[in-house]
Amino acid sequence: AQKVTQAQTEISVVEKEDVTLDCVYETRDTTYYLFWYKQPPSGELVFLIRRNSFDEQNEISGRYSWNFQKSTSSFNFTITASQVVDSAVYFCALTLISNFGNEKLTFGTGTRLTIIP
Amino acid sequence: ETGVTQSPTHLIKTRGQQVTLRCSSQSGHNTVSWYQQALGQGPQFIFQYYREEENGRGNFPPRFSGLQFPNYSSELNVNALELDDSALYLCASSLGLKREGQDTQYFGPGTRLTVL
Repeated sequence: AQKVTQAQTEISVVEKEDVTLDCVYETRDTTYYLFWYKQPPSGELVFLIRRNSFDEQNEISGRYSWNFQKSTSSFNFTITASQVVDSAVYFCALTLISNFGNEKLTFGTGTRLTIIP
Repeated sequence: ETGVTQSPTHLIKTRGQQVTLRCSSQSGHNTVSWYQQALGQGPQFIFQYYREEENGRGNFPPRFSGLQFPNYSSELNVNALELDDSALYLCASSLGLKREGQDTQYFGPGTRLTVL
């Protein structure tokens, strides 16, 4: 079975500070995808990024960056120069890569990020 | 916006009643997954439908059932509602293809169900 742990329940930072959200995962499979989703107060889960277990290259998208380390089973998410609009609950998730291509997502419990103006 | 829509937005039911929640997929997507998100928790997988057939089920009792229609829209039905069924129910659509990036699940806004 798969498991995703987000140990940080809540984080508050002052606007323009950098913040890193931690994600640790467990799986016996060697092929999987990792995701980050953002859930604003409206409730809709917004897709942010997907990484393949074969590709440990870090990724940067604007103020967002992701650090994937298979050696520590971690997939951490950093927001640089945070803004109030970044306030939301962030979820890390894992899915196995199957022949079919659609597998269930296993989510962590989320980290509530509050950016203080 | 993802193009995934859900109805209704909010619903209040009493224990023992039955409820039907609806989801319209993003255009071109043939796979729908349903998740239950209790307050303060991450979403939990209920089941998935691919081209009108159930394609995987999570640890939920049989009173949770679903349907997918030829236009790939979907329903989630819950019978004999219990207080613990109070949650946000999320629907996600995706392409049923094993291609990089093609099977990412895109979520709708959810239906918030309250059972009294």
